Amino acid sequence: DVVMTQSPLSLPVTLGQPASISCRSSQSLVQSDGNTYLIWLQQRPGQSPRRLINKVSNRESGVPDRFSGSGSGTDFTLKISRVEAEDVGVYYCMQGTHWPYSFGQGTKLEIK
Amino acid sequence: EVQLVESGGDLVQPGGSLRLSCAASGFTFATTWMAWVRQAPGKGLEWVANIKHDGSDKYYVDSVRGRFTVSRDNAKNSLYLQMNSLRGEDTAVYYCAIGRGFFWGQGTPVTVSS
Repeated sequence: DVVMTQSPLSLPVTLGQPASISCRSSQSLVQSDGNTYLIWLQQRPGQSPRRLINKVSNRESGVPDRFSGSGSGTDFTLKISRVEAEDVGVYYCMQGTHWPYSFGQGTKLEIK
Repeated sequence: EVQLVESGGDLVQPGGSLRLSCAASGFTFATTWMAWVRQAPGKGLEWVANIKHDGSDKYYVDSVRGRFTVSRDNAKNSLYLQMNSLRGEDTAVYYCAIGRGFFWGQGTPVTVSS
């Protein structure tokens, strides 16, 4: 099974400052169709997960452009250019290439 | 507006059974892969099962294979998860999701305890 490893697991950030979360997979996430199904999810306190980014870097409709995803193969990054109060929550990377799909441990973003 | 509404979660004894339902609306359910994902209390996410749009392909995580069965009724825009031989480690909030996590329901809690 593919293991997804996130860092850091805790991320205290000052409002208005940038934030970055790293995600590594134990094997390449490039599927036979050429797509890389690396997904970023946000889970705000008390809420269901919400998909922010699909296929490494494609922002979902309604997601602020301060969120960006990058990477390839086994190394991926989620960046928030300027953290806002509404960004507090847990961020998960997830691979949807190999069954069973799997998640990182989650990164808890909090405001300093 | 896309909506997924789960129901059926409950307190059940170890070894018992439960059937979860997910009512879908706002998108073409009959052409969409669907999934169940769970989250144990205070823990991370675990993908439980996938089902193809026509029900012809189903995938399960090892920990539930042989005990859980995913199914769907496209005429009713509904997704189901039949859970048998429940164990304490199955205690979680169970989410219905579209495809590879495109959209998630609000979840339904399942507690397995005597």
